[in-house]
Amino acid sequence: DTAVSQTPKYLVTQMGNDKSIKCEQNLGHDTMYWYKQDSKKFLKIMFSYNNKELIINETVPNRFSPKSPDKAHLNLHINSLELGDSAVYFCASSQDSGIYNEQFFGPGTRLTVL
Amino acid sequence: GNSVTQMEGPVTLSEEAFLTINCTYTATGYPSLFWYVQYPGEGLQLLLKATKADDKGSNKGFEATYRKETTSFHLEKGSVQVSDSAVYFCALKGNNRLAFGKGNQVVVIP
Repeated sequence: DTAVSQTPKYLVTQMGNDKSIKCEQNLGHDTMYWYKQDSKKFLKIMFSYNNKELIINETVPNRFSPKSPDKAHLNLHINSLELGDSAVYFCASSQDSGIYNEQFFGPGTRLTVL
Repeated sequence: GNSVTQMEGPVTLSEEAFLTINCTYTATGYPSLFWYVQYPGEGLQLLLKATKADDKGSNKGFEATYRKETTSFHLEKGSVQVSDSAVYFCALKGNNRLAFGKGNQVVVIP
């Protein structure tokens, strides 16, 4: 029944490691997003894919690489993790990339880098 | 570029009080405007939206009107409940650009 799901929910790792977060939506949506929410709740768009094509790529370090194997999945891989990467990462989807459509958010992945 | 500004600081109020959270925006063209709510430990959920000037979005007793002349989309609720305690985000979507405000923590005291 879950519309947008993410795994894992919690991720604790050491500096320098590489990790991935997976996202899946079962809404039949064409567009998916990754957001980063910092400790002050500030939410920043990182990437957006529409039909597996990258359409938004904000100023994000090259260590972050999104991958969309199909419309229903958007994964986030992070290389050489740094302390500043600690945050909650949210995946979201919308029917398409048009301006009228709201986004449906996943429950978030809390990443802690030690 | 597109941006959204929300009033600073948390909002603490008593049950049944009137709630207003201010939101102003800067955008080119004619964006859509949204309010999302985030309950503790959860992702964001859409609360309401408006897609053109003078539209009023409403849901669960909350309302916001898209005011192009003042570039605002203020959120209001006439009588809050403890269950309304959450973080509220104003957001804008236009021209493939997305912007969220910094969010306002709302705490409703019984």
